Amino acid sequence: ELKVEQNPLFLSMQEGKNYTIYCNYSTTSDRLYWYRQDPGKSLESLFVLLSNGAVKQEGRLMASLDTKARLSTLHITAAVHDLSATYFCAVDKIWNSGGSNYKLTFGKGTLLTVNP
Amino acid sequence: DAGVTQSPTHLIKTRGQQVTLRCSPISGHKSVSWYQQVLGQGPQFIFQYYEKEERGRGNFPDRFSARQFPNYSSELNVNALLLGDSALYLCASSLSPTAGYTFGSGTRLTVV
Repeated sequence: ELKVEQNPLFLSMQEGKNYTIYCNYSTTSDRLYWYRQDPGKSLESLFVLLSNGAVKQEGRLMASLDTKARLSTLHITAAVHDLSATYFCAVDKIWNSGGSNYKLTFGKGTLLTVNP
Repeated sequence: DAGVTQSPTHLIKTRGQQVTLRCSPISGHKSVSWYQQVLGQGPQFIFQYYEKEERGRGNFPDRFSARQFPNYSSELNVNALLLGDSALYLCASSLSPTAGYTFGSGTRLTVV
């Protein structure tokens, strides 16, 4: 069974600092997503990573994928308060043998708090 | 364009009751998936429907059922509600089972 582990689960950082959230998964994946969730809200798609070595950047966030290590990272550069949220990685994988149906398996999420 | 719409946004039910949650996908999207997110956890896959057929089911009891209508909207039904069913229920739509997902704003279900 596919397992997705994120660390850290809680991250408190100061504005202006850099940090990285890690996402490990247990089997090969087809796609890897990063989502942001604000309290009481739904999931906002940040990045989708499709292949080994993929790197995507949007503003202060950069995501990368190493399929050989089964590892994705979400790097935060010069954090600002507006980035405070919970961040999830999710692995999309065909889950029925011989089929073409995907499902997302999520990590537990990283609660990021950026302090002034 | 309208995104994925879910109704109701909030719901309070008593143990043992039944509940129906509704989801309208983005226009043109034929696949709908349902996820349960318990407080403090990541979402867990419940069902996927495509072209009105069930394509997958997660590790949930038979009290959970769903269907997809000809207009691709979907309903999630939960019978004999338990306190542990209290969660945010998210609907995601996609063009096909192999395409990316757009999530709705969710239905917050509280079972008392």
